[in-house]
Amino acid sequence: AQTVTQSQPEMSVQEAETVTLSCTYDTSESDYYLFWYKQPPSRQMILVIRQEAYKQQNATENRFSVNFQKAAKSFSLKISDSQLGDAAMYFCAYRRPNTGNQFYFGTGTSLTVIP
Amino acid sequence: DAGVTQSPTHLIKTRGQQVTLRCSPKSGHDTVSWYQQALGQGPQFIFQYYEEEERQRGNFPDRFSGHQFPNYSSELNVNALLLGDSALYLCASSWKRGGLVNYEQYFGPGTRLTVT
Repeated sequence: AQTVTQSQPEMSVQEAETVTLSCTYDTSESDYYLFWYKQPPSRQMILVIRQEAYKQQNATENRFSVNFQKAAKSFSLKISDSQLGDAAMYFCAYRRPNTGNQFYFGTGTSLTVIP
Repeated sequence: DAGVTQSPTHLIKTRGQQVTLRCSPKSGHDTVSWYQQALGQGPQFIFQYYEEEERQRGNFPDRFSGHQFPNYSSELNVNALLLGDSALYLCASSWKRGGLVNYEQYFGPGTRLTVT
């Protein structure tokens, strides 16, 4: 079974600074998708960024970027110029190919942004 | 454009009772997945519905069942509730065309179920 591990239960960052959230995963497959979701106190999961495993180039979405290391099975999220609105739980998720949309989630990292 | 909606927002039930949760997918979406998120944990996949049939199932007992209607909305039913069923239940929708599943899932705000 696929497992996704987030080893940082809590992280904090000063406003306008940069923070990196870690994620590792276990799989024997070569083609898959990886995601970072944000869950604010409102509980709604919001897609932050996605990465296709077959793409070597790291995905970037404005202030959010990933460091995808396929051989190491590592998928970290970097948030630049942190804003107060970035405070939330962040979940790393793995999607197997050809399985519809069955996602496997990590246990999450709670990010606090300090003004 | 309405996103994924879920009802009710909160629910309190007693052990042994049965509960039904509802989900309406985002406009244009035809595939619905249900997840259980226990406190302090990440969501766990329960099952997925497409074309009114259960297509995939996670590691959940038969007490968890579902249904999808012709308008793509879905219900999650849990029978014989246990204290451990207390969790946030999330619904997510996506679309499928000609066998190709869009990998982006849009989540609803969830239903908080408390079993006493």
